[in-house]
Amino acid sequence: EAGVAQSPRYKIIEKRQSVAFWCNPISGHATLYWYQQILGQGPKLLIQFQNNGVVDDSQLPKDRFSAERLKGVDSTLKIQPAKLEDSAVYLCASSQQAGGTYNEQFFGPGTRLTVL
Amino acid sequence: AQRVTQPEKLLSVFKGAPVELKCNYSYSGSPELFWYVQYSRQRLQLLLRHISRESIKGFTADLNKGETSFHLKKPFAQEEDSAMYYCALYTGGFKTIFGAGTRLFVKA
Repeated sequence: EAGVAQSPRYKIIEKRQSVAFWCNPISGHATLYWYQQILGQGPKLLIQFQNNGVVDDSQLPKDRFSAERLKGVDSTLKIQPAKLEDSAVYLCASSQQAGGTYNEQFFGPGTRLTVL
Repeated sequence: AQRVTQPEKLLSVFKGAPVELKCNYSYSGSPELFWYVQYSRQRLQLLLRHISRESIKGFTADLNKGETSFHLKKPFAQEEDSAMYYCALYTGGFKTIFGAGTRLFVKA
């Protein structure tokens, strides 16, 4: 089966600009995750969707970050305006479902964002 | 507080030597723990989970609730084991917390 797809793979922007990332999860996976991975750190969950509803966005900086998952499939993550500290790899992952028994998360290749 | 600590950023061993990657966690409930691995130019992927009590690619990990640890071990390291390893804690509900990772380098 095809894996999680993300685009773009790399993005360089200047601070205060806007940027958007796209994710297509594995077909049939109900749960979609966006993680931020800053250099030298582990992935940090930004937001988690169950179908097209948000189940956890407690660590999403909502003043500048937004995400949506229309129709419970693809998702976009947007940053507006970007700050220098947003430079990171943004990972998308999906799993069959969340809650209760853990379901393996399948990760995309990530988008490396550099903010100058 | 829920936390996963991997005290070593880098671990370097010779091929054929035993390897142990340390992981400690902080969680008041009943934990589910995992090891994820990222090989060079590949995606982050699940290596093993404590519930399965399985050996994957020669790696094992035992959950020690008394010491709140979940160390990853392999008796004889291979060069292809060189990768970034992340310990992860599932807190039930919906959240998975990752450690900062340990880079394992196996020297020939």
